[in-house]
Amino acid sequence: AQTVTQSQPEMSVQEAETVTLSCTYDTSESDYYLFWYKQPPSRQMILVIRQEAYKQQNATENRFSVNFQKAAKSFSLKISDSQLGDAAMYFCAYVDSGGYQKVTFGIGTKLQVIP
Amino acid sequence: DTGVSQDPRHKITKRGQNVTFRCDPISEHNRLYWYRQTLGQGPEFLTYFQNEAQLEKSRLLSDRFSAERPKGSFSTLEIQRTEQGDSAMYLCASSLAWGRTEAFFGQGTRLTVV
Repeated sequence: AQTVTQSQPEMSVQEAETVTLSCTYDTSESDYYLFWYKQPPSRQMILVIRQEAYKQQNATENRFSVNFQKAAKSFSLKISDSQLGDAAMYFCAYVDSGGYQKVTFGIGTKLQVIP
Repeated sequence: DTGVSQDPRHKITKRGQNVTFRCDPISEHNRLYWYRQTLGQGPEFLTYFQNEAQLEKSRLLSDRFSAERPKGSFSTLEIQRTEQGDSAMYLCASSLAWGRTEAFFGQGTRLTVV
């Protein structure tokens, strides 16, 4: 079974600074997708960034970028120029490209942005 | 279509009562997922529908839980004889093909069993 591990329960960053959230995963598959989701307090989960495992190039979405290390099964999220609105729970998630697409989530990292 | 909607947003029930939650997915999405999220945890997979067919159920989904998606549109999740351990946020998500395309979440139903 696939597992997703987020080892940082909480992180904090100064506004305008850069922070990196860690995620490791375990799978025997070679083709899959990885995601970072953001869940603000009392609001719904939204997709931050997506990475396809067969692509070596790291995904980037504006201030958000990932460091995808397939051999190490590592998938970290870097947030640059942190803003107050970035404060939220961040979940790393995994899904096989085939099968029934059960998405497995990590336990999350709570990000605090300090003004 | 404004996205995935869930009803009710909050539900307080007495232990032993039955509850039913509803999820309305984005209309063109053929795949629908139910997740459960407890405090301090990530969402845990419960079940998955492709159109009206329930294709996978987690071991978390005991025989007190049942989910349906008649006609491949909205879905309901029923919990019979609720227990305090059922207290959680129940999340619904829909997609065309999660991974190749984006999945969208509803705001969830928060269940409190007293």
